[in-house]
Amino acid sequence: DQQVKQNSPSLSVQEGRISILNCDYTNSMFDYFLWYKKYPAEGPTFLISISSIKDKNEDGRFTVFLNKSAKHLSLHIVPSQPGDSAVYFCAASASNTGNQFYFGTGTSLTVIP
Amino acid sequence: DAGITQSPRHKVTETGTPVTLRCHQTENHRYMYWYRQDPGHGLRLIHYSYGVKDTDKGEVSDGYSVSRSKTEDFLLTLESATSSQTSVYFCAISERYSGANVLTFGAGSRLTVL
Repeated sequence: DQQVKQNSPSLSVQEGRISILNCDYTNSMFDYFLWYKKYPAEGPTFLISISSIKDKNEDGRFTVFLNKSAKHLSLHIVPSQPGDSAVYFCAASASNTGNQFYFGTGTSLTVIP
Repeated sequence: DAGITQSPRHKVTETGTPVTLRCHQTENHRYMYWYRQDPGHGLRLIHYSYGVKDTDKGEVSDGYSVSRSKTEDFLLTLESATSSQTSVYFCAISERYSGANVLTFGAGSRLTVL
């Protein structure tokens, strides 16, 4: 059973506009959430994270929002750039299970110049 | 840079043959992982290790075994490869970043089982 879900397999956005990628989770024990970016033929790279004690974390053009009551997080990219075109995975972990990470199925973002 | 090297990067094999993928890291990280990536499934954990000779199963461990005889090497073995094991395999290590654990991945090993 998928504990982390990304229900949108793909997303297309015009350059300069906002990209919003969504992620839902089912396990209420998750207390740390991460976003990864993956280009073809490369390994995923860490982008940004958020702890459950926060509801927002910002790093440059990237902001992650966490809504614990809805078990939902989102990644906002503003402004979107063609180089942001990649597959984005959200992931979650629970401190009581140590170093296990659970990933969503990914959203393929295309930023149109 | 966590210094993760996966080998081989590409392999084509036949059903029923054994296959071993190697992950090598240079920074003495305790935790190492093997994931597979498949369309529609994202990244799924196969096995992970929390020290030399200490390993545990992940979500999709059937048909796979692992070994870690040295801190720097984590081997993934398919005893008898099947077509359903055609996938891209990623090794990862866990390291601290801003007070929390973050996975850092290798470049991947693409395995095709004919």
